[in-house]
Amino acid sequence: RKEVEQDPGPFNVPEGATVAFNCTYSNSASQSFFWYRQDCRKEPKLLMSVYSSGNEDGRFTAQLNRASQYISLLIRDSKLSDSATYLCVVFAGNNRKLIWGLGTSLAVNP
Amino acid sequence: DTEVTQTPKHLVMGMTNKKSLKCEQHMGHRAMYWYKQKAKKPPELMFVYSYEKLSINESVPSRFSPECPNSSLLNLHLHALQPEDSALYLCASSFRIALNEKLFFGSGTQLSVL
Repeated sequence: RKEVEQDPGPFNVPEGATVAFNCTYSNSASQSFFWYRQDCRKEPKLLMSVYSSGNEDGRFTAQLNRASQYISLLIRDSKLSDSATYLCVVFAGNNRKLIWGLGTSLAVNP
Repeated sequence: DTEVTQTPKHLVMGMTNKKSLKCEQHMGHRAMYWYKQKAKKPPELMFVYSYEKLSINESVPSRFSPECPNSSLLNLHLHALQPEDSALYLCASSFRIALNEKLFFGSGTQLSVL
């Protein structure tokens, strides 16, 4: 089993749609969780950290389920500019490294 | 608008060349990273410097040689690379290596080895 798993997609959705991505992780000692966004041929940029109680930033909501070892990202009212690859990233304190998922590709269509 | 600056943006080199990639940040971050990224793959960690000391080396071949001259600068020296080393090389920094530290990436150097 991969340490961090994501559905690679692609997800093709119309503008205004709501879309959700899930990510599972295998190391129960994982302590910090992040969603990064990467546009084609650009560097990854932090979208949001994921907190135990769940957190929201505008149209984006992140949730963490420690019992089932997954995190999710919900995007409401999708915009064309949301088209990108969304990378799930997990920090496991025992090896002090970030573990990256393969990413989920999102295309928002007019 | 990134606060981590990488040069050059593009580099083409032959297998016998020696070149260097440079990275600079002035955010006072004490952890700096080199990542390698192939198309449609996530970034792959190569090296981590913490307080200017090499903290993590992910078994990277010796043809890649990192250097951290001071807390703001990170170099990656390249020598006798192979065509399969062609990739996007990303520098990143964070305040330190710790639980909730966020990485700030530079825009990368697209490297082609002929």
